[in-house]
Amino acid sequence: ETGVTQSPTHLIKTRGQQVTLRCSSQSGHNTVSWYQQALGQGPQFIFQYYREEENGRGNFPPRFSGLQFPNYSSELNVNALELDDSALYLCASSVNTGTGSYEQYFGPGTRLTVT
Amino acid sequence: DAKTTQPPSMDCAEGRAANLPCNHSTISGNEYVYWYRQIHSQGPQYIIHGLKNNETNEMASLIITEDRKSSTLILPHATLRDTAVYYCIVRGYNQGGKLIFGQGTELSVKP
Repeated sequence: ETGVTQSPTHLIKTRGQQVTLRCSSQSGHNTVSWYQQALGQGPQFIFQYYREEENGRGNFPPRFSGLQFPNYSSELNVNALELDDSALYLCASSVNTGTGSYEQYFGPGTRLTVT
Repeated sequence: DAKTTQPPSMDCAEGRAANLPCNHSTISGNEYVYWYRQIHSQGPQYIIHGLKNNETNEMASLIITEDRKSSTLILPHATLRDTAVYYCIVRGYNQGGKLIFGQGTELSVKP
């Protein structure tokens, strides 16, 4: 157990709909990253939030957006869902100490299916 | 693209040491080597990381060659629960939380 929780566990949506996924960080962690993992692939970095600001983004379109709250919990929002958005969505929390060396702890993920 | 190369799969007998290699020939001086594993349908689990010295923790040992172009993750006494996909990742000092996962090595520990 990493102390990182995600909700919901599973979700089914229809193409064109919008979805919000939630993540609670491990206590004391000020940085949250989100990843998308398609079946049979490694996780792909979507973006990172540090102190409520987006602080790095991968190769994902603007319809993928996020928020980080003062308690460091986070949301991932995806608009205009496409079939290819079906994946396991992972969040990871960490502590940014400025040393360049830190560990990320992943949650169990949310399995999103778009039909 | 991932900056590491790993064999796609490996087998190991239960109780024996599992040695998982990783090639990162283009690694820069300020880049760390991280290892994560992912058991089926779960989130990745942090194992260990290092810069240039060998590292050991309660889960594993990390051996980094002197030229830092390759490394080996060692699970000293593999158990069936160590069956997972193991990812070797190179992460730069200023990359923050961005981990670039490759395909990893699927380790099967057999009785």
